[in-house]
Amino acid sequence: DVKVTQSSRYLVKRTGEKVFLECVQDMDHENMFWYRQDPGLGLRLIYFSYDVKMKEKGDIPEGYSVSREKKERFSLILESASTNQTSMYLCASSSPSTNRKGQFFGPGTRLTVL
Amino acid sequence: ELKVEQNPLFLSMQEGKNYTIYCNYSTTSDRLYWYRQDPGKSLESLFVLLSNGAVKQEGRLMASLDTKARLSTLHITAAVHDLSATYFCAVDFISSNTGKLIFGQGTTLQVKP
Repeated sequence: DVKVTQSSRYLVKRTGEKVFLECVQDMDHENMFWYRQDPGLGLRLIYFSYDVKMKEKGDIPEGYSVSREKKERFSLILESASTNQTSMYLCASSSPSTNRKGQFFGPGTRLTVL
Repeated sequence: ELKVEQNPLFLSMQEGKNYTIYCNYSTTSDRLYWYRQDPGKSLESLFVLLSNGAVKQEGRLMASLDTKARLSTLHITAAVHDLSATYFCAVDFISSNTGKLIFGQGTTLQVKP
């Protein structure tokens, strides 16, 4: 079974701090995704990556950056956290060879910015 | 515009009743996914529908895909409390290697005893 793990389930940070959210998958998937989920707004794609060192902006990239130095790891960076970035962050992965199985999600990180 | 719309967005139903959640999408696709999310948890894959006329069933849930109508349905038979969750459909519009999906807004199902 695909396993996608995220570094923290809950995180509390202060406004202006630099925040790193880590995601690791163990199935050699090429594609990785970061979403945020807010009540009433569904899932919104922040960034995705389809290969090491490759990244593309999603629908709401402002205030975020990403890093993919190794295939299994995809990091989401909040350069200077703000209160409007308080949210649930979900990481997912998939593979072109198994795209037909869809995306596999990590457990999520609930980030609170004070 | 690539859009995926679910309805209803909220559904409160009695145990034992049947109901259907609808997922409409705006342009051609032959890959549609259903996910379940329990409160405070992440998304779990339920069904993968890969061709017109595809039907998948697990327990009290059955999903179908009509690519000509650009419509998928998730039918709930004789609902039980354990089915209370939020259900998302997602569509792969782009036949590429990115695997990018467009998600519906989610339908929150509340099953009352």
